[in-house]
Amino acid sequence: GAVVSQHPSRVICKSGTSVKIECRSLDFQATTMFWYRQFPKQSLMLMATSNEGSKATYEQGVEKDKFLINHASLTLSTLTVTSAHPEDSSFYICSALQGDRNQPQHFGDGTRLSIL
Amino acid sequence: GQQVMQIPQYQHVQEGEDFTTYCNSSTTLSNIQWYKQRPGGHPVFLIQLVKSGEVKKQKRLTFQFGEAKKNSSLHITATQTTDVGTYFCADTGAGSYQLTFGKGTKLSVIP
Repeated sequence: GAVVSQHPSRVICKSGTSVKIECRSLDFQATTMFWYRQFPKQSLMLMATSNEGSKATYEQGVEKDKFLINHASLTLSTLTVTSAHPEDSSFYICSALQGDRNQPQHFGDGTRLSIL
Repeated sequence: GQQVMQIPQYQHVQEGEDFTTYCNSSTTLSNIQWYKQRPGGHPVFLIQLVKSGEVKKQKRLTFQFGEAKKNSSLHITATQTTDVGTYFCADTGAGSYQLTFGKGTKLSVIP
């Protein structure tokens, strides 16, 4: 149980392209989902917290107009990297919370984004 | 904001040797969660510690939460090649849904 599917797993595209990443909880409802960014050999940095039916809460330094988050249902959150540039290349991982804050987060497989 | 320090950053051990990674914070930790991330993979939840002085075991893995709730450790006895990966500690923070991750300890096991 508690499977989170993230798609696509890898994206390679030209500078200026917008890229949408989907995060789905397959067998549970997730009122809260999180989006992280991970640089090579580094830890996970929280970008934003996504709550179903409301606006996402962004961490300091994360541009909300650059990283658009939509949590349209209890099982789906999307992250759109708008007008991506090479510095946006990274590993993006979503996670979903099943229940309250004392429960573990379940992570998707991540999306490796490469902007040429 | 809260910071969770984790050491060492890297650890290379011979198969069969023990391994320990440590997390600490200058402020009181709320709920410590431990995750393992295999190379190229995503973090997988291992365990959660909530109570002061708590000790939990999973086969060869022993997790501890300090009495003052300012540190935690993960100890692996007799490492195997399947233990390879990066181990992260993370704290939920008081009243928060968000996890603050340590930098992780990358474990390499030499067969």
